[in-house]
Amino acid sequence: KQEVTQIPAALSVPEGENLVLNCSFTDSAIYNLQWFRQDPGKGLTSLLLIQSSQREQTSGRLNASLDKSSGRSTLYIAASQPGDSATYLCAAPAETSGSRLTFGEGTQLTVNP
Amino acid sequence: DTEVTQTPKHLVMGMTNKKSLKCEQHMGHRAMYWYKQKAKKPPELMFVYSYEKLSINESVPSRFSPECPNSSLLNLHLHALQPEDSALYLCASSQDKFQGARIEKLFFGSGTQLSVL
Repeated sequence: KQEVTQIPAALSVPEGENLVLNCSFTDSAIYNLQWFRQDPGKGLTSLLLIQSSQREQTSGRLNASLDKSSGRSTLYIAASQPGDSATYLCAAPAETSGSRLTFGEGTQLTVNP
Repeated sequence: DTEVTQTPKHLVMGMTNKKSLKCEQHMGHRAMYWYKQKAKKPPELMFVYSYEKLSINESVPSRFSPECPNSSLLNLHLHALQPEDSALYLCASSQDKFQGARIEKLFFGSGTQLSVL
C-alpha cells in the first residue's frame, strides 16, 4: 500500500527566500507523481506532473524532481513571494491499477512580506 | 477552457433535505471524480467515472448518490446526510482514467463547502 509523507508540515519564510518541499513515497513502482497547490477553502491546482523518466520538470519559479530509487520527490520554489502562501500537496499512484491517488498530508507554506 | 466548474459554492442543509452538487467540464475529459476533504486533511476519493460509467465506489454510504448524465456533467445527490458529512466536496477530471501506476493530470473545481445541520 502506497504511503506518502511530506516534510515539513509547515514552513514560514521571508519573501525572496528559495525553499524546498519534500515528499517521500513507499512504493517506487510509479511512472509519475503530481504536485498540487491549495489555497484555503479552494480546490487543488495542479502545479507539475513529473514523469520518472524526466527526473526534473520546471514551470516558472517551480522545479520538481523525482527519484524513484530513493522514493523521493522535491518541489523547489525560487524567490518566494507572499502569493506563494498556500498548502502544497504531493500525490502518487496508490496502486498499480485503478484511478486512486495517495496524497501526502501537505506542507503549509507562509511567505512573509 | 481548462476549468472545472462546481455549483453551488456553499450549501447548508438539514439532515432531512435532499440536495445535489453539480460539476461541469468542457475539456473533453473522459474521467471524472468526486473527492471529500475535511479541514487540514488531504482529499479522500469517493467515486470515479470513466466514460460515463461508475468505475470506483470507495464504499461510500448510500446517502451519497453519484450520477454522470453525459461526458461533461457529474452530479452528486445528497439525502439524509449527517453532521459528520460536513466537508469540502471537490470534483475533478482527467483526460482518461489512470493507466496502472501512471497518473493523469487532474483538474479540480473550486469545491462546494457543505454544512449539515
